[in-house]
Amino acid sequence: EDKVVQSPLSLVVHEGDTVTLNCSYEVTNFRSLLWYKQEKKAPTFLFMLTSSGIEKKSGRLSSILDKKELFSILNITATQTGDSAVYLCASSSGTYKYIFGTGTRLKVLA
Amino acid sequence: DVKVTQSSRYLVKRTGEKVFLECVQDMDHENMFWYRQDPGLGLRLIYFSYDVKMKEKGDIPEGYSVSREKKERFSLILESASTNQTSMYLCASSYPDKNTEAFFGQGTRLTVV
Repeated sequence: EDKVVQSPLSLVVHEGDTVTLNCSYEVTNFRSLLWYKQEKKAPTFLFMLTSSGIEKKSGRLSSILDKKELFSILNITATQTGDSAVYLCASSSGTYKYIFGTGTRLKVLA
Repeated sequence: DVKVTQSSRYLVKRTGEKVFLECVQDMDHENMFWYRQDPGLGLRLIYFSYDVKMKEKGDIPEGYSVSREKKERFSLILESASTNQTSMYLCASSYPDKNTEAFFGQGTRLTVV
């Protein structure tokens, strides 16, 4: 059965800290690994990763994929209160279904 | 911009009612999805449609059905709503043959009393 596992489930940090969110996957016919940010509404897309070892970066956020070990990490540097959200990891399979993990709830304190 | 629109942000229904959740997308996507999101359980796939009138069960289809009569519209139907179907429902769409992200609607928070 395909599955995506995220850790930790929740995290509380102070502004300025750096955080690393983890995502491991076991998916048949893997196509891509996606990260989303969800505040009190629809998930918004952050990154899609298809190749091992190539970092994707957007401002203070970055992500990388390891297809041999079947995991990805999302890094957020110099966290701000606006980074508080649920971060979702998903894997796209051969049939283009998206399998999601449970999410990591991040709270950044001022 | 891709737009996925769900018909309601909030709904309150009574146990036993038949409930329709509507989703419309404007990007000509073949694939459409219905997920439910519950604390600690993440997003779980209810149903998936890859073309008009085509559907496939997801991980938790029991108690739900779907309808896709037109490409842009995907409806989720709760045949007889129960309190354990109280949840956030998210619709999404994507291209079938490109490795791209799924685009989400704003979600419908359904409460069954």
